[in-house]
Amino acid sequence: GAVVSQHPSRVICKSGTSVKIECRSLDFQATTMFWYRQFPKQSLMLMATSNEGSKATYEQGVEKDKFLINHASLTLSTLTVTSAHPEDSSFYICSAEQGANNEKLFFGSGTQLSVL
Amino acid sequence: QKEVEQDPGPLSVPEGAIVSLNCTYSNSAFQYFMWYRQYSRKGPELLMYTYSSGNKEDGRFTAQVDKSSKYISLFIRDSQPSDSATYLCAMSATAGKSTFGDGTTLTVKP
Repeated sequence: GAVVSQHPSRVICKSGTSVKIECRSLDFQATTMFWYRQFPKQSLMLMATSNEGSKATYEQGVEKDKFLINHASLTLSTLTVTSAHPEDSSFYICSAEQGANNEKLFFGSGTQLSVL
Repeated sequence: QKEVEQDPGPLSVPEGAIVSLNCTYSNSAFQYFMWYRQYSRKGPELLMYTYSSGNKEDGRFTAQVDKSSKYISLFIRDSQPSDSATYLCAMSATAGKSTFGDGTTLTVKP
């Protein structure tokens, strides 16, 4: 299957700082990538759809100024959590779509963010 | 009511058992059906993918889709301890933007 690399796997930061998470498709080009948030023992919550060369589409209730998404190339999307606060602590996961109809999702390994 | 409902579990079975994981859905527009496996603190990995109704087999895994009943299943034969994980069903009407079930945590005991 396709490989999606997500970095860093874990980050601990102080309240008020910004954190950037990278998501790369290693062996395919991804026009569209997705960013999710996952709380313990809960399912994936879609935050936004990242489209190469255009603005991201955010799900209802997700602050676009808080969670900045950039998809500058066909292999890289970044999520920046700006002015992070303890309530932003969570597991963040990206995915990229592939397949004849772009129906399959391949996920990164996730980033555990802890804001002190 | 959620668009996708997944049997919550958790499920605990002895090694070698047959496991059945199930999801129901309400959106008749769904046409892509996936099962993902997620180990703790890792990203999900695609296990099975089915388009429209029917069965699909891959080794010890069989995915079934019944669109008339809006019901999908994943069967695991000869379950192994390494199958212990959380299994997520997912489905979509269009490419990429999938709706996920809440997951079923499976433990296979040696």
